[in-house]
Amino acid sequence: KAGVTQTPRYLIKTRGQQVTLSCSPISGHRSVSWYQQTPGQGLQFLFEYFSETQRNKGNFPGRFSGRQFSNSRSEMNVSTLELGDSALYLCASSEGQGTGELFFGEGSRLTVL
Amino acid sequence: GENVEQHPSTLSVQEGDSAVIKCTYSDSASNYFPWYKQELGKGPQLIIDIRSNVGEKKDQRIAVTLNKTAKHFSLHITETQPEDSAVYFCAAHDNAGNMLTFGGGTRLMVKP
Repeated sequence: KAGVTQTPRYLIKTRGQQVTLSCSPISGHRSVSWYQQTPGQGLQFLFEYFSETQRNKGNFPGRFSGRQFSNSRSEMNVSTLELGDSALYLCASSEGQGTGELFFGEGSRLTVL
Repeated sequence: GENVEQHPSTLSVQEGDSAVIKCTYSDSASNYFPWYKQELGKGPQLIIDIRSNVGEKKDQRIAVTLNKTAKHFSLHITETQPEDSAVYFCAAHDNAGNMLTFGGGTRLMVKP
């Protein structure tokens, strides 16, 4: 069974630009969560989607948004990029039945210059 | 919401020694506590988890203990090996938000 796939793996943007990151979950998984990982803040929850609906949202500004498609693939978008948005963005999928294992992808490393 | 504190932030041990990482959580309603291992350049991977109806769980060289009264849980790694070197994260399931809240991570270095 293929794991969680995130694209692109690395990208560089400049302040003010926007970025879209993609996540393909494990086949059969209906829940996709996004986390931001930075050296200072650790793993911070962004949002979670289940069956195309946002079920939970973390404490991030509205510049961070996401969506999920009918095939469970998910995208997250960050608009008007700031230097502080530089981070590793991790996607995790699960079956979505409450307290189940999260399977993480290898992440998309975003650098904002 | 849930708040998870993890200590120490870095831990260096000799190969063969034991390593212990401790976490505390704030939400007494949390009932699921996983531990993840993140190797360089990879995403976190679940290594062991424990649910609130259990006090201890073991899997070969890894064990986790949970004290619900004190709201803390710990990861124990015995007979450490160089391949155990990684960043370890504890987490607690936030019942209110139906999401995992992670601790700040512990960088474990096992010296051969």
